[in-house]
Amino acid sequence: AQTVTQSQPEMSVQEAETVTLSCTYDTSESNYYLFWYKQPPSRQMILVIRQEAYKQQNATENRFSVNFQKAAKSFSLKISDSQLGDTAMYFCALGNEKLTFGTGTRLTIIP
Amino acid sequence: DSGVTQTPKHLITATGQRVTLRCSPRSGDLSVYWYQQSLDQGLQFLIQYYNGEERAKGNILERFSAQQFPDLHSELNLSSLELGDSALYFCASSEQGISGNTIYFGEGSWLTVV
Repeated sequence: AQTVTQSQPEMSVQEAETVTLSCTYDTSESNYYLFWYKQPPSRQMILVIRQEAYKQQNATENRFSVNFQKAAKSFSLKISDSQLGDTAMYFCALGNEKLTFGTGTRLTIIP
Repeated sequence: DSGVTQTPKHLITATGQRVTLRCSPRSGDLSVYWYQQSLDQGLQFLIQYYNGEERAKGNILERFSAQQFPDLHSELNLSSLELGDSALYFCASSEQGISGNTIYFGEGSWLTVV
């Protein structure tokens, strides 16, 4: 069975600061993919970033980057220069054929 | 706009009733996934179809069923509804499976059982 753990139920940071959301996972698969999804109040699930487990290089998408530590089974998300629009629930997900989601981190950006 | 279309967006129904949620995947996507998100919870995988065939099954209740049609749209049927079935039901699609592909989510169907 696959598991995803997000140990920070809530976080808040000042606008323009950097914040890191934690995620650990467990899987017996050798090939898998990791994702961060953002869910704003509208409840839409928006893909933030994706990482292939076989790639050592950490994925980056503009202000969003990950720190992927395969041996430690850790996949954290760093948001730089945080903006008010980043306020949302953030879900870490792991999968190969289906996605297993963590319970989410509610991130609030404070003006 | 992800390109995944779900209808209806909102639905209120009584306990014991049956409803059907519909999903049209992105053009060209062969895989369709259904997820359930209860209030303040993460998403729970229900079922996946690939090109009309069931590919993976998660925590889907026996009262629930799904299918994918030849035109690749999918329907999730929920029967004998209970209060606890109230949730946001997401459909998602990808070109094939997750491997090498990104999964895109629809806006969800809000189901309220009263």
